[in-house]
Amino acid sequence: ELKVEQNPLFLSMQEGKNYTIYCNYSTTSDRLYWYRQDPGKSLESLFVLLSNGAVKQEGRLMASLDTKARLSTLHITAAVHDLSATYFCAVGYSGGGADGLTFGKGTHLIIQP
Amino acid sequence: GAVVSQHPSRVICKSGTSVKIECRSLDFQATTMFWYRQFPKQSLMLMATSNEGSKATYEQGVEKDKFLINHASLTLSTLTVTSAHPEDSSFYICSARGQGETQYFGPGTRLLVL
Repeated sequence: ELKVEQNPLFLSMQEGKNYTIYCNYSTTSDRLYWYRQDPGKSLESLFVLLSNGAVKQEGRLMASLDTKARLSTLHITAAVHDLSATYFCAVGYSGGGADGLTFGKGTHLIIQP
Repeated sequence: GAVVSQHPSRVICKSGTSVKIECRSLDFQATTMFWYRQFPKQSLMLMATSNEGSKATYEQGVEKDKFLINHASLTLSTLTVTSAHPEDSSFYICSARGQGETQYFGPGTRLLVL
């Protein structure tokens, strides 16, 4: 059974600071996704990482993937209040006719002025 | 960008009734659609994978007779919650995947069963 663990689950930080969210997964996969969810809303796709060593950046967010360590990170640089949200990593898997995503529990991020 | 819609956005129904939720990919063809459920302050749980023209594949523990999925076309999948009960109250989110690996999520449907 594929398990996805995120940490921390809750993070309160000040504007201007840097921080990293970690996502570990238990079995081999070559698809790792990061999503953002605002309260009461659906998910917004941030990054899709498809290969070992992949690094993608968008604004103040940067995501990386190490498939050997089964680890992905989401790094926040010089955080701003607008980045407050819940961030999910999700791992893609195929098998048994199903082909969906297994999500981590999410990291609830609050950025304070 | 790829847009996925869901209808209705929220629904309140009485216990024992059935509710149908539609998921549409508006500007791309989705060979595969997925249905997820999210309880308050929890993560998303995959319920089933829906492929156009074939039977849905359900995750372990999801009752296929209770959660009926139909993927009638490359742009439409429906989830019907049959004989709904209060414990079925949740946020139901669909996603659609086209040619690439990205899954695009719909806005979600909030179901409340009284």
